[in-house]
Amino acid sequence: QKEVEQNSGPLSVPEGAIASLNCTYSDRVSQSFFWYRQYSGKSPELIMSIYSNGDKEDGRFTAQLNKASQYVSLLIRDSQPSDSATYLCAVTKYTGRRALTFGSGTRLQVQP
Amino acid sequence: EADIYQTPRYLVIGTGKKITLECSQTMGHDKMYWYQQDPGMELHLIHYSYGVNSTEKGDLSSESTVSRIRTEHFPLTLESARPSHTSQYLCASTESSEVRDEQFFGPGTRLTVL
Repeated sequence: QKEVEQNSGPLSVPEGAIASLNCTYSDRVSQSFFWYRQYSGKSPELIMSIYSNGDKEDGRFTAQLNKASQYVSLLIRDSQPSDSATYLCAVTKYTGRRALTFGSGTRLQVQP
Repeated sequence: EADIYQTPRYLVIGTGKKITLECSQTMGHDKMYWYQQDPGMELHLIHYSYGVNSTEKGDLSSESTVSRIRTEHFPLTLESARPSHTSQYLCASTESSEVRDEQFFGPGTRLTVL
């Protein structure tokens, strides 16, 4: 079982719709959770971090964390064609090296 | 915005050459990381450093080596490049306090070994 699981997609949504991206993780000691956006051929760009249960909103983005279910999600409201990218879920643990463990990413396509 | 730099951005080189990929950050972050990513695939950790003179190997076995002589500089070296080393190499850094853990990535180096 992979430590971080994501549906590879593609997830296709129309412009203006809400895109919902999901991620599950297997290690209960995971403490920090991140969503990165990666355009083709580019490096990952951090768009959201979340550390405690509940919702965290930043502009059009909302991250949701449920540690009991080991589940983290990202909602993108009013999706734009420029949001078309691969979204990477990543986790770290407070113990040890604190390196990121990534999921394989979900490709999002926003149709104009 | 993160200030982390990588050079070169693109490198095409022949088999057997020695190469060094540069990574520098101006944020004073203590922790730095190298990840490797093949096209369309996951990122995998190959090296990390907690600070000066501290380096460790990551999850993915790599023939590369790293050094950390200065806080801001974390170069990666391949003594003898092979076609199997063709990949994108991504450097990242973090301040990594007890309450914040965000890592910021450089633009990456895309390496092609012929």
